[in-house]
Amino acid sequence: GDSVTQMEGPVTLSEEAFLTINCTYTATGYPSLFWYVQYPGEGLQLLLKATKADDKGSNKGFEATYRKETTSFHLEKGSVQVSDSAVYFCALGRRREKLTFGTGTRLTIIP
Amino acid sequence: DVKVTQSSRYLVKRTGEKVFLECVQDMDHENMFWYRQDPGLGLRLIYFSYDVKMKEKGDIPEGYSVSREKKERFSLILESASTNQTSMYLCASSFYVGQGDTGELFFGEGSRLTVL
Repeated sequence: GDSVTQMEGPVTLSEEAFLTINCTYTATGYPSLFWYVQYPGEGLQLLLKATKADDKGSNKGFEATYRKETTSFHLEKGSVQVSDSAVYFCALGRRREKLTFGTGTRLTIIP
Repeated sequence: DVKVTQSSRYLVKRTGEKVFLECVQDMDHENMFWYRQDPGLGLRLIYFSYDVKMKEKGDIPEGYSVSREKKERFSLILESASTNQTSMYLCASSFYVGQGDTGELFFGEGSRLTVL
């Protein structure tokens, strides 16, 4: 079945550091890939998505590229801010709206 | 602004009680979902619904049921709550964008349930 594996946290970085959160997936066919973010005390919200191989999703300075050859969708940001502190979830959608989520990575940015 | 509203942010119930978690969305979305979120396990799908009076089991349906009598409302029911159902429950909705495609999920803020 479908599965998503993302790097274990927690991750702690200093402000303005470079961020990478790894995500790999297992699925048949051609799934869509997503990153969702959960800020403290809130529900999840979509950060970015990519629907086919080599697509790059981007939003709020975050980027992720759909790599079919390595079955990966790593999240990156060049310079993180304290306001980026949150839990990040990688997810896969393969058929009709149903998403499979990874376990989440808690990110803390210190000033 | 899109809105998914869960009726209770925090609930405390006793083992064996019947528990209702309510979710309402105001976006006229066809699809609605119930997930539970646990540390180290991420989000796991309990049930989902593509239309009124329609439901499908997700990955962990045991011990749960759902009801969707109106398009905007999707209820999660724990017939006899147990301590291993202590968790954060997240409701989500999305519109249908076509077979084989996956639309954005809009989440509520969650309901944290404690079963004693």
